[in-house]
Amino acid sequence: GAVVSQHPSWVICKSGTSVKIECRSLDFQATTMFWYRQFPKQSLMLMATSNEGSKATYEQGVEKDKFLINHASLTLSTLTVTSAHPEDSSFYICSARDRWSYEQYFGPGTRLTVT
Amino acid sequence: QKEVEQNSGPLSVPEGAIASLNCTYSDRGSQSFFWYRQYSGKSPELIMSIYSNGDKEDGRFTAQLNKASQYVSLLIRDSQPSDSATYLCAVSSSASKIIFGSGTRLSIRP
Repeated sequence: GAVVSQHPSWVICKSGTSVKIECRSLDFQATTMFWYRQFPKQSLMLMATSNEGSKATYEQGVEKDKFLINHASLTLSTLTVTSAHPEDSSFYICSARDRWSYEQYFGPGTRLTVT
Repeated sequence: QKEVEQNSGPLSVPEGAIASLNCTYSDRGSQSFFWYRQYSGKSPELIMSIYSNGDKEDGRFTAQLNKASQYVSLLIRDSQPSDSATYLCAVSSSASKIIFGSGTRLSIRP
């Protein structure tokens, strides 16, 4: 089956630092990847849509200068949380959409804690 | 009106019974429909996709789609305690992003 990996699975960083999260589709090509955030006991919140070779599209209320997204290839997208603050602590999940079937597969998520 | 609506639950079903999860959507142009299962603290896992009206069966899971009524459902037969999770309905129209419902929490009681 389609596999999406995310790295790291968890990270603790100090306030003011930046953190990069990688999302890879391992056995399929994804022209589109998505980045979500999920707070405890809440539903998924789409942050941005990442298209290979072009700029990401951000959802309303998501700061594009704070959450930098790069989708350099058909199998890799990265999310960089810049100048992280404690309120950025959350579960960040990426997903990749198969370019042919449109089925969307999720990575295992990255738990970010900002101290 | 939310684009994809689900009853938040919790839905409690005895072990061995059929669990029925429902979802409605607002965009009549939607073409792809998905059900995801999410365990607490984990990311969602795709369990079913359906693209045309009718039923689609996969093991203990059956997805049902009725585009005229803008309704999609998921039936889980012979429910097991391991089926206890939040089930997310998701809808997509061609190349656009997938819209997720807020999920239904299912609890299977032994």
